[in-house]
Amino acid sequence: GQQLNQSPQSMFIQEGEDVSMNCTSSSIFNTWLWYKQDPGEGPVLLIALYKAGELTSNGRLTAQFGTTRKDSFLNISASIPSDVGIYFCAGQGFTGGGNKLTFGTGTQLKVEL
Amino acid sequence: GAVVSQHPSWVICKSGTSVKIECRSLDFQATTMFWYRQFPKQSLMLMATSNEGSKATYEQGVEKDKFLINHASLTLSTLTVTSAHPEDSSFYICSARQGWNAGELFFGEGSRLTVL
Repeated sequence: GQQLNQSPQSMFIQEGEDVSMNCTSSSIFNTWLWYKQDPGEGPVLLIALYKAGELTSNGRLTAQFGTTRKDSFLNISASIPSDVGIYFCAGQGFTGGGNKLTFGTGTQLKVEL
Repeated sequence: GAVVSQHPSWVICKSGTSVKIECRSLDFQATTMFWYRQFPKQSLMLMATSNEGSKATYEQGVEKDKFLINHASLTLSTLTVTSAHPEDSSFYICSARQGWNAGELFFGEGSRLTVL
């Protein structure tokens, strides 16, 4: 099935640093979402974006819905050890895809104390 | 957020046996549930869309006779892996839709299947 391209694939950063990751697609999506998955767990929703250009924050997390509807980014400010995990973007399309989500390839974040 | 629970969280079975995984929405009714499969260090791949009271819709390449899905009530969907083989070993995750927005889609904890 189709996947969204996420970059970077993995990141190893120092505690307190800011983190930025992005997601790109060849298709247009009408909704972008960002999830975090811990090992052996299901994904947990971080931020949902419903409008092109929308910028939404959730605590230290900020995400934006690209104006072309083909990309989105997620920023994490002042990272802490519990930010470790895999971050997935997901898109929901206008037609054909119905309510289905297409997931990105994931960005693994590791935080060094 | 709403709670979606899967059972069992992990299961080990012998090759050739069938395994059933349950997905329950604990505090809301879900007319639609989704089943995903995730291999180690990979993304979630949608297997099928489960609709209450009707047949599931399978994604291309997913064998419907191999992965039986039943959505008999508004709070329960089951995935049965029939005649399991080692290559079916994976992390299976369900999600349930509480409302119409994509942000109202909640995921279960996942079920780790290991086929010996």
